[in-house]
Amino acid sequence: GAGVSQSPSNKVTEKGKDVELRCDPISGHTALYWYRQSLGQGLEFLIYFQGNSAPDKSGLPSDRFSAERTGGSVSTLTIQRTQQEDSAVYLCASSLEGPSRAETQYFGPGTRLLVL
Amino acid sequence: ELKVEQNPLFLSMQEGKNYTIYCNYSTTSDRLYWYRQDPGKSLESLFVLLSNGAVKQEGRLMASLDTKARLSTLHITAAVHDLSATYFCAVDTDSNYQLIWGAGTKLIIKP
Repeated sequence: GAGVSQSPSNKVTEKGKDVELRCDPISGHTALYWYRQSLGQGLEFLIYFQGNSAPDKSGLPSDRFSAERTGGSVSTLTIQRTQQEDSAVYLCASSLEGPSRAETQYFGPGTRLLVL
Repeated sequence: ELKVEQNPLFLSMQEGKNYTIYCNYSTTSDRLYWYRQDPGKSLESLFVLLSNGAVKQEGRLMASLDTKARLSTLHITAAVHDLSATYFCAVDTDSNYQLIWGAGTKLIIKP
């Protein structure tokens, strides 16, 4: 595709509900990253995929967070039993080969999650 | 633990002036990235600096990297309103897949 796309662009949910956030990376990019950005803050790394595998899940804040990637393309970030502190912008990025290549990451527009 | 600190965190300046944003990091790295974020938008890559002494320029922005000092600078020359945005630096290392991000510098350029 022309760029990284994410859906939904905005999500409002009630505390305790599960949400799924989707990322569609640039076609041909093998590396995919999820970040979280709270209001006025920098980015917090969540998870990184190389192909369908996740070499680094260390950034996931709790076991309520999980992510998968299928077919080396689309990724889904799932947050179970959402809490108000989960409210943030969730950003997805992709790169051609991976972080060891010191590549530019291309970011999607983000999903703005609000947990009431 | 790798830490990245930017300063200032907020900068308001007049058009036509010059200024520098600083990015310090706490461990050995020779890869540093600068990104721009407009309000309500996602991040856009500006520069990738991959070696000591690297300097890159694009328009009124110039970035440099001093790996010995663990410092990168983003210099703005003759600022214009369109450069108003939040600027982030990020660092990674050979042993860490993660990009570690600074908190960002919010730049407001007044006409």
